[in-house]
Amino acid sequence: DARVTQTPRDKVTEMGQEVTMRCQPILGHNTVFWYRQTMMQGLELLAYFRNRAPLDDSGMPKDRFSAEMPDATLATLKIQPSEPRDSAVYFCASGMTEGTSFNEQFFGPGTRLTVL
Amino acid sequence: GQQVMQIPQYQHVQEGEDFTTYCNSSTTLSNIQWYKQRPGGHPVFLIQLVKSGEVKKQKRLTFQFGEAKKNSSLHITATQTTDVGTYFCAGGWRGNYGQNFVFGPGTRLSVLP
Repeated sequence: DARVTQTPRDKVTEMGQEVTMRCQPILGHNTVFWYRQTMMQGLELLAYFRNRAPLDDSGMPKDRFSAEMPDATLATLKIQPSEPRDSAVYFCASGMTEGTSFNEQFFGPGTRLTVL
Repeated sequence: GQQVMQIPQYQHVQEGEDFTTYCNSSTTLSNIQWYKQRPGGHPVFLIQLVKSGEVKKQKRLTFQFGEAKKNSSLHITATQTTDVGTYFCAGGWRGNYGQNFVFGPGTRLSVLP
């Protein structure tokens, strides 16, 4: 049963530290998404990649956040330096997109980040 | 920017009662997706609607896409405790690089046994 995996599942860190979250999308999916979920803001799209190329990262704070796909099996989201307001659950999702149409997204279990 | 609203924000029902959540967009959508997130879990895809006026059913769940493709609804008949969770709609539209989309804020459903 193919699924999206994310590591770590939980991360507690101190303000100013670098945080790296990793995602392994479902094999064969060409699109990877990063979301942030908080009680106040709900589910926010941070960035997404198609065929490993960043297509839209307009939802991501550029000064401290960066997202990459070093290869087709790994997507990373990095925060440097982290701040308490970054505390949230970060979800990765993958899916297939063709042209201008999106199909269903398969979400990973999420990384719960707490910045003290 | 593009906005997708959902009402109600919260809904408490007695088991066996029906439940409906509504999704409204400020502009015309090309498609809409619905997801369910159980407490402590991750969003799980339920369905995608593409055509104007489309109605789809999954057992006790009925999904509808409005004629103008600006609104959608999810109706659950005879709710069960397993229906507990937050229901999100995600509206999609064509952008510069393909399709863009935005998630609504969700409707949190509580079902009392």
